[in-house]
Amino acid sequence: EVVLVETGGDLIQPGGSLRLSCTGSGFSVSDNYMSWVRQAPGKGLEWVSVFYSGGIIYYADSVKGRFTISGDISKNTVYLQMNSLRAEDTAFYYCTKGRGRSSIYDYWGQGTLVTVSS
Amino acid sequence: EIVLTQSPATLSLSPGERATLSCRTSQSVSSYLAWYQQKPGQAPRLLISDASNRATGIPARFSGSGSGTDFTLTISSLEPEDFAFYYCQQRSTWALTFGGGTKVEIK
Repeated sequence: EVVLVETGGDLIQPGGSLRLSCTGSGFSVSDNYMSWVRQAPGKGLEWVSVFYSGGIIYYADSVKGRFTISGDISKNTVYLQMNSLRAEDTAFYYCTKGRGRSSIYDYWGQGTLVTVSS
Repeated sequence: EIVLTQSPATLSLSPGERATLSCRTSQSVSSYLAWYQQKPGQAPRLLISDASNRATGIPARFSGSGSGTDFTLTISSLEPEDFAFYYCQQRSTWALTFGGGTKVEIK
């Protein structure tokens, strides 16, 4: 059974940093595109970033230069390092698994809440 | 960035009725379009990939069609569990983008 578990969400002050983790089971992170998708409370979905161990990393313009995605294949885990956080980064952050090397998101984690506020 | 526009924003229907949701893209995405369903407090769930391919376990009452810039998600006969939010998503180019969503509510 495929399961994704996100951790790391918290209340953080503007300008602060936070690292989210996503650990997968039932599949290999190295075989799939892994993405983060966020959703501000009461709003729609926004793609944030993608990681593929074979050499693909992309970011949404809204987070480029502030967020860094990475992976540890030995731990079957993907990370999202978030720096210079802003109020508009407040959202539920979902880890998603692509179907193989695609961005068809066939599995989602339960989400972790990041709140940026003073 | 490819912009996805979903319409209507809200669809008010009764159980048993047919639902037709639209997603238009600002430029062609070929058939690289997916549909997701999201219920309150839950993560989204994949319904349709590549415009018309139902995901595993998705009932046959859900169907997708379209290519290029115009896409449709049809629910042939609404069941009580189908009242939810629906989002389209393109994977034709980076950055990936989602539509703003359609809420299907009980009339």
